[in-house]
Amino acid sequence: NAGVTQTPKFQVLKTGQSMTLQCAQDMNHEYMSWYRQDPGMGLRLIHYSVGAGITDQGEVPNGYNVSRSTTEDFPLRLLSAAPSQTSVYFCASSITTGGGYEQYFGPGTRLTVT
Amino acid sequence: AQTVTQSQPEMSVQEAETVTLSCTYDTSESDYYLFWYKQPPSRQMILVIRQEAYKQQNATENRFSVNFQKAAKSFSLKISDSQLGDAAMYFCAYRSDYGGSQGNLIFGKGTKLSVKP
Repeated sequence: NAGVTQTPKFQVLKTGQSMTLQCAQDMNHEYMSWYRQDPGMGLRLIHYSVGAGITDQGEVPNGYNVSRSTTEDFPLRLLSAAPSQTSVYFCASSITTGGGYEQYFGPGTRLTVT
Repeated sequence: AQTVTQSQPEMSVQEAETVTLSCTYDTSESDYYLFWYKQPPSRQMILVIRQEAYKQQNATENRFSVNFQKAAKSFSLKISDSQLGDAAMYFCAYRSDYGGSQGNLIFGKGTKLSVKP
């Protein structure tokens, strides 16, 4: 099992550009989520999905879009990048939402917006 | 809404000594889970230990153990015989036993642990 994979590992964007962060898991997990990590802020939830075709907003959803057309993939789209979106982004998955199931994380994407 | 607070932004420990990282949380739920995640410089998030709220017995995993005080809403992590490889950011996290929007993992802001040789 590859677990949770994310691409790219690093990205530099100019303000106003758009891009998609890719996330895939091969564990047949229902639940997938995106977090951003900023210094001193911990991990904050951007969007999450409890199954294919179902997505919802987390704590900091503005400026981001998601879709979940398959169980395996959960891409995160930045519509018009802003310097405030400079951060490290993590994708995660677990069997389901809630409960004591371990949440597995991808290796992260470091995004810089200039 | 549930919140998780880690009051120690940074901690330091001598190699082979013991260190305790603090975490408190706020919830009105009775069924939930608590986690400690480790994030080394590689950035990879690694589950260290988990605790079920309905269990009175504190969880242990080798050199890692927790002190879970449900009434006080406290969940501290004790690392015994600290090793250089324990140097990392440690995050405390809460997860409801309920599904849907209530079942997301909620993180504290983290404690950076340094280990001195």
